[in-house]
Amino acid sequence: AQSVTQLDSQVPVFEEAPVELRCNYSSSVSVYLFWYVQYPNQGLQLLLKYLSGSTLVKGINGFEAEFNKSQTSFHLRKPSVHISDTAEYFCAVRRYNQGGKLIFGQGTELSVKP
Amino acid sequence: DAGVTQSPTHLIKTRGQQVTLRCSPKSGHDTVSWYQQALGQGPQFIFQYYEEEERQRGNFPDRFSGHQFPNYSSELNVNALLLGDSALYLCASSFGQINEKLFFGSGTQLSVL
Repeated sequence: AQSVTQLDSQVPVFEEAPVELRCNYSSSVSVYLFWYVQYPNQGLQLLLKYLSGSTLVKGINGFEAEFNKSQTSFHLRKPSVHISDTAEYFCAVRRYNQGGKLIFGQGTELSVKP
Repeated sequence: DAGVTQSPTHLIKTRGQQVTLRCSPKSGHDTVSWYQQALGQGPQFIFQYYEEEERQRGNFPDRFSGHQFPNYSSELNVNALLLGDSALYLCASSFGQINEKLFFGSGTQLSVL
């Protein structure tokens, strides 16, 4: 079985500061990795994904994540955050052959202050 | 191009009742997955429908059932509602059963009193 742990439930940060949202996963088989963002009263929007290849993945809105197989981590980073980045962020994994079945972490609430 | 649409947006029911939630996938998509997101939690996979059949199922009781229609739209039915069923129910669509590109709707907020 797979599981995802997001190490911080809340991350407060000032505008234009860098941020890292941490995600560790556990799986006995190879998986795909994802980060989703959820704005208030909205559904989930895909930020980025790791399927294979380069371990540094770039996504939308200036976010990037690095896959580290030895540490089973997939941390999300942004060098300079904006007020509009305030949202809930979810890390998720999926087995190669299980299309719709994403396993999500508990979420990290990113709060960007002016 | 309309994305994934869900109805209703909000719903209030009482314990023991039954509820039906609806989802229209993004244009061109043929696969629908349903998720339950309790307050303060990540979404949990309920099941996936493809070619009008349930293809995968998460750890949810038989009170949760679904259906997919020939136009690819889908319904989620929950019988004998419990207080713990209160949650945001999200629908996600994709083209193909194993496509990693999921598009999510805004969800239906179900409150069970």
